[in-house]
Amino acid sequence: DARVTQTPRDKVTEMGQEVTMRCQPILGHNTVFWYRQTMMQGLELLAYFRNRAPLDDSGMPKDRFSAEMPDATLATLKIQPSEPRDSAVYFCASGLGGLSGEQYFGPGTRLTVT
Amino acid sequence: RKEVEQDPGPFNVPEGATVAFNCTYSNSASQSFFWYRQDCRKEPKLLMSVYSSGNEDGRFTAQLNRASQYISLLIRDSKLSDSATYLCVVRATGTASKLTFGTGTRLQVTL
Repeated sequence: DARVTQTPRDKVTEMGQEVTMRCQPILGHNTVFWYRQTMMQGLELLAYFRNRAPLDDSGMPKDRFSAEMPDATLATLKIQPSEPRDSAVYFCASGLGGLSGEQYFGPGTRLTVT
Repeated sequence: RKEVEQDPGPFNVPEGATVAFNCTYSNSASQSFFWYRQDCRKEPKLLMSVYSSGNEDGRFTAQLNRASQYISLLIRDSKLSDSATYLCVVRATGTASKLTFGTGTRLQVTL
């Protein structure tokens, strides 16, 4: 049963620290997404990639966030320096792209910045 | 104004009841529509796509009204296991795979 995996599942860190979240998309999926979910804002798209190339990162604060896909099996989202307002659940999702609306989400990383 | 708007609920209904959720979208260029389900502290999962002609999947019926720019989800004979948050999702023309999610409507089905 193919799944998107994410690590870590939970992260508590102090303000100013660097945070790196990792995602392994489903093998064969060519599109990878990073979302952030909070109670107030819901699910927000931060960035997405197709065939490892970044297509859109307009949802991401550029000064502190960065997203990369070093290879087809790994996507990373980095926050440096982290701030309390970054506390949220970060989801990675992958899909086959095109007209399909089906995106397969990972279990998420719950980030708390104190 | 948000691109996709939903009543956050919660909708509290007894088991066996019929419940309906609506969702409105602001971008008239929106091309594809979906309902996702998210259980508490879990990831979202695709429930069903919404087609112009309407579609049904068991106890679930989805409908689209392009003129009024709204989407609906009807759940018949509610089960306790239907308790979850239902996310309305829209994809605009020319945005490739990019989806816009509503903040969700929470459903609680009780005995």
